[in-house]
Amino acid sequence: SQTIHQWPATLVQPVGSPLSLECTVEGTSNPNLYWYRQAAGRGLQLLFYSVGIGQISSEVPQNLSASRPQDRQFILSSKKLLLSDSGFYLCAWTSLGQVGEQYFGPGTRLTVT
Amino acid sequence: RKEVEQDPGPFNVPEGATVAFNCTYSNSASQSFFWYRQDCRKEPKLLMSVYSSGNEDGRFTAQLNRASQYISLLIRDSKLSDSATYLCVVRRGNTPLVFGKGTRLSVIA
Repeated sequence: SQTIHQWPATLVQPVGSPLSLECTVEGTSNPNLYWYRQAAGRGLQLLFYSVGIGQISSEVPQNLSASRPQDRQFILSSKKLLLSDSGFYLCAWTSLGQVGEQYFGPGTRLTVT
Repeated sequence: RKEVEQDPGPFNVPEGATVAFNCTYSNSASQSFFWYRQDCRKEPKLLMSVYSSGNEDGRFTAQLNRASQYISLLIRDSKLSDSATYLCVVRRGNTPLVFGKGTRLSVIA
């Protein structure tokens, strides 16, 4: 069966510090991968998605970046965090041909202080 | 205008009540429709797909009206465990899913 892992579960970082969040998927190959952010009390905001290794589409211009160094690994990074980067970061995957059924990881709750 | 709009609620209903949520979408090219459920401080999970003919899964009924571009979710005999945020989701082509902001439901004993 397929599983998706995200870590860490919670993170407290000072303003201006770097960020690296990792997401890995097991049990499937060539998934579509997504990064979302959900600010407190707000809806899901799609940040990046990837349909293959090295292929990244950015939905919202900001100080975040994403990379996909391996088929089932998706990394979200920032060189310098802002207070506004606080939120609940969710990684998700879908398999080709089943893009409606999207599976989310458990998320990382990031607080920038 | 947002692509997917939902009444944010909250809907506060007693146990056993029937509650309905509506969602409207703006892009007539939308092809697929879903309801996701998100518990407090958890990740969203697929609740059910919405088919043109309407579909039912236990106490949950989903309906689609393409002419009016709205989707509905009906929950019968509400349980305390139904308390969550319900997200309306649409897809067109191979583009990423578009999520509504969600409708919060609280079922009260």
